[in-house]
Amino acid sequence: NAGVTQTPKFQVLKTGQSMTLQCAQDMNHEYMSWYRQDPGMGLRLIHYSVGAGITDQGEVPNGYNVSRSTTEDFPLRLLSAAPSQTSVYFCASSYSNRGAYGYTFGSGTRLTVV
Amino acid sequence: EDQVTQSPEALRLQEGESSSLNCSYTVSGLRGLFWYRQDPGKGPEFLFTLYSAGEEKEKERLKATLTKKESFLHITAPKPEDSATYLCAVKVPGAQKLVFGQGTRLTINP
Repeated sequence: NAGVTQTPKFQVLKTGQSMTLQCAQDMNHEYMSWYRQDPGMGLRLIHYSVGAGITDQGEVPNGYNVSRSTTEDFPLRLLSAAPSQTSVYFCASSYSNRGAYGYTFGSGTRLTVV
Repeated sequence: EDQVTQSPEALRLQEGESSSLNCSYTVSGLRGLFWYRQDPGKGPEFLFTLYSAGEEKEKERLKATLTKKESFLHITAPKPEDSATYLCAVKVPGAQKLVFGQGTRLTINP
């Protein structure tokens, strides 16, 4: 049982480049989300999904796109990378968001934009 | 605005020296308070969920408690392997997210 798998673990981009951060879970979780973690700012929600075909914005969605075509996968796309997007990105999933279920986090993607 | 504040920011203890971490929150209608442990270079690892004031949960040397305004994570006779950042988060009604505190970085010296 792999849990939540994120790829890649590290990435360096040049300003203006685009890329996709991958996230996959094998727990049949309904809810998936993307957070970014920055020093002194804690974890902040970028986008989330409550099921296949349903996505919505979190606190800091600008510059990012998501889609959810299957229950298992929830990729995060950076459209045109900026240095302000240098951060550690975590994907998290949960059985449901309609209760106090704990989230399972992936191991993160450390992104540097130069 | 829903807010979670953790204190202290960093705590250094000797092995065996018990202490507590604090998580205070201002939310309307708490739907759950979560504690996570995060090791360097890793994702947060779920520890506990607390639902209502007076509730307590235990796991090895850790015990989490909850009141109407704050939660404590008590660490009894800690070992060096307990060194990590401990994160607190709350779930509020209607919000499709957890609101996280900034964490307490705990270091246990042998």
